[in-house]
Amino acid sequence: AQSVTQLDSQVPVFEEAPVELRCNYSSSVSVYLFWYVQYPNQGLQLLLKYLSGSTLVKGINGFEAEFNKSQTSFHLRKPSVHISDTAEYFCAVSGMDSSYKLIFGSGTRLLVRP
Amino acid sequence: NAGVTQTPKFRVLKTGQSMTLLCAQDMNHEYMYWYRQDPGMGLRLIHYSVGEGTTAKGEVPDGYNVSRLKKQNFLLGLESAAPSQTSVYFCASSPLRTSGGPSTDTQYFGPGTRLTVL
Repeated sequence: AQSVTQLDSQVPVFEEAPVELRCNYSSSVSVYLFWYVQYPNQGLQLLLKYLSGSTLVKGINGFEAEFNKSQTSFHLRKPSVHISDTAEYFCAVSGMDSSYKLIFGSGTRLLVRP
Repeated sequence: NAGVTQTPKFRVLKTGQSMTLLCAQDMNHEYMYWYRQDPGMGLRLIHYSVGEGTTAKGEVPDGYNVSRLKKQNFLLGLESAAPSQTSVYFCASSPLRTSGGPSTDTQYFGPGTRLTVL
């Protein structure tokens, strides 16, 4: 079984500042990792995913994430945020043994202030 | 392409009432999913389907039933609603792949249904 921990429920940041949203996971098998974003009153959409290969993954809207197997982490970063990045961000994991199931973290609300 | 659509967008029920939520996708995706989203808990999988005519239980299936009579539609039913089922419900779909398995696939989400049970 897998689990995902997003320690920060809310991250306030000023516009044009860098941001890191933290995600840690646990699993007894190898995993695939995802970041989804949910804008207000919308469904989720994929930001990026790690399946294999380079541990640095680039996604849409200037976001990137780095897979660290030894620390079981998949932190999301952006060097300079915009007001429009205000949203809730979900880290998710699926096991390579499975299954069709995505296990989601509890989410981190990114609040970008002018 | 409308993608994934959900009907209705909002609903208020009284305890004990029943209702059906409809999810439709026009991407010819094989897999479909129902999630519920509660504050501080992320999304939890209720039921899923790996093809027309097949369904399976997810993480929190109690109190819900599903059907997938047509490939493009996935219905979620509440037979006797309870206040604990107050939530936002999301449907998602993902395509069939010949390699890598469905666990690598992007899931495409609908806009959600906000359900309140009084």
